[in-house]
Amino acid sequence: QQQVKQSPQSLIVQKGGIPIINCAYENTAFDYFPWYQQFPGKGPALLIAIRPDVSEKKEGRFTISFNKSAKQFSLHIMDSQPGDSATYFCAASRRVTGANNLFFGTGTRLTVIP
Amino acid sequence: DGGITQSPKYLFRKEGQNVTLSCEQNLNHDAMYWYRQDPGQGLRLIYYSQIVNDFQKGDIAEGYSVSREKKESFPLTVTSAQKNPTAFYLCASSTGAGVYEQYFGPGTRLTVT
Repeated sequence: QQQVKQSPQSLIVQKGGIPIINCAYENTAFDYFPWYQQFPGKGPALLIAIRPDVSEKKEGRFTISFNKSAKQFSLHIMDSQPGDSATYFCAASRRVTGANNLFFGTGTRLTVIP
Repeated sequence: DGGITQSPKYLFRKEGQNVTLSCEQNLNHDAMYWYRQDPGQGLRLIYYSQIVNDFQKGDIAEGYSVSREKKESFPLTVTSAQKNPTAFYLCASSTGAGVYEQYFGPGTRLTVT
């Protein structure tokens, strides 16, 4: 059972466009929501993360919007560039006997066309 | 230059053989994790360890084993009992149980034929 549902599976935008990737979760015990960026053959890199006590967080061109009541969060990439072409994963974390285990979405492959 | 190293980058094994994947970190992180990545399925947790000499099963631990004899090392053994071992394996670490951010290594692609 997928604890975090991510859409779309793939996304193609023109340079300068604003791709939006959406995620939804059911478990209200989740209290940390990161986004990871992964290039082919590489490990994921932490991009930005949010806690449920805020509705939005911006870091550079990347913004997370968080809707606690709807149990949804999304990633927006402003002024997208070809170098942003990668696979993006959302995740959610909750405490499990003192550890912090991440539950990942299935990923969105983003292609930014020059 | 701090980080997480995984070796080798590519690994090939015959079916029925056990294989051990290496993960080393020099970040002085307490917690370490192993994930498996398959196309279209995201990352799934295999095992995690909060401290030396302690580890817990994740969601898909069957057919895998780990050890944590040193803080900086968390090797994963893929046993012959793992029915579909071919995958991309990722190791991660975090400062400790109270810190959420996890940092990933470059991964090992295992192919079993």
